[in-house]
Amino acid sequence: SYVLTQPPSVSVAPGLAARIACGGNNIEVESVRWYQHKPGQAPVLVVYDDTVRPSGIPERFSGSKSGNTAALTINRVEVGDEAAYYCQVFDGVNDHPVFGGGTKLTVL
Amino acid sequence: EVQLVQSGAEVKKPGATVKISCKVSAYTFTDTFTDYYIHWVQQAPGKGLGWMGLIDLEDGKTIYAEKFQGRLSITADRSTDTAYMELSSLRFDDTAVYYCAKGPSGTLMDVWGQGTSVTVS
Repeated sequence: SYVLTQPPSVSVAPGLAARIACGGNNIEVESVRWYQHKPGQAPVLVVYDDTVRPSGIPERFSGSKSGNTAALTINRVEVGDEAAYYCQVFDGVNDHPVFGGGTKLTVL
Repeated sequence: EVQLVQSGAEVKKPGATVKISCKVSAYTFTDTFTDYYIHWVQQAPGKGLGWMGLIDLEDGKTIYAEKFQGRLSITADRSTDTAYMELSSLRFDDTAVYYCAKGPSGTLMDVWGQGTSVTVS
């Protein structure tokens, strides 16, 4: 099964930028999605197709990819951005979606 | 905006079966129930998101994660725009919050339900 690797945690001060990485074999050929998940709430899709923001997602959220690593960058981080963030791709061999282990973003 | 509303919390004994519903409503102008895929995702306490399975609402085709093969059944009722997830032979480690999510394909989840807590005790 396809494995996506994320750091367990990232910490950032308000107003600065946070970068959350997601590594996977040949991820450069995969379409990467990112979800924000706050405790007690439904997850929210914040980026799909590597870089596209759904309607209603602030421009502060952006996706990128280079080599074997995809990344979600949150500019001008706010306290309200504190959440777990998950990357996700589609495992074409096993024919189903796969999530990374998640990264807990802490706003200091 | 499309909404997914799930059924309420459940408490079950080991070996029992749980069935959770996920009603889709407030479609966009051009969408219908059968335009979507419905995914089910598990989050155990302190753990990350784990994909369980999906159903293609157009033809009823299902795909299940290997971890749940033989215990998981995902169905849908077109007459009520509702999808269901049934997990049998419950174990203590099935205690989790279960989410349904819709997507335009089997690869993406763009709107999620509020989650249903299942406690096996």
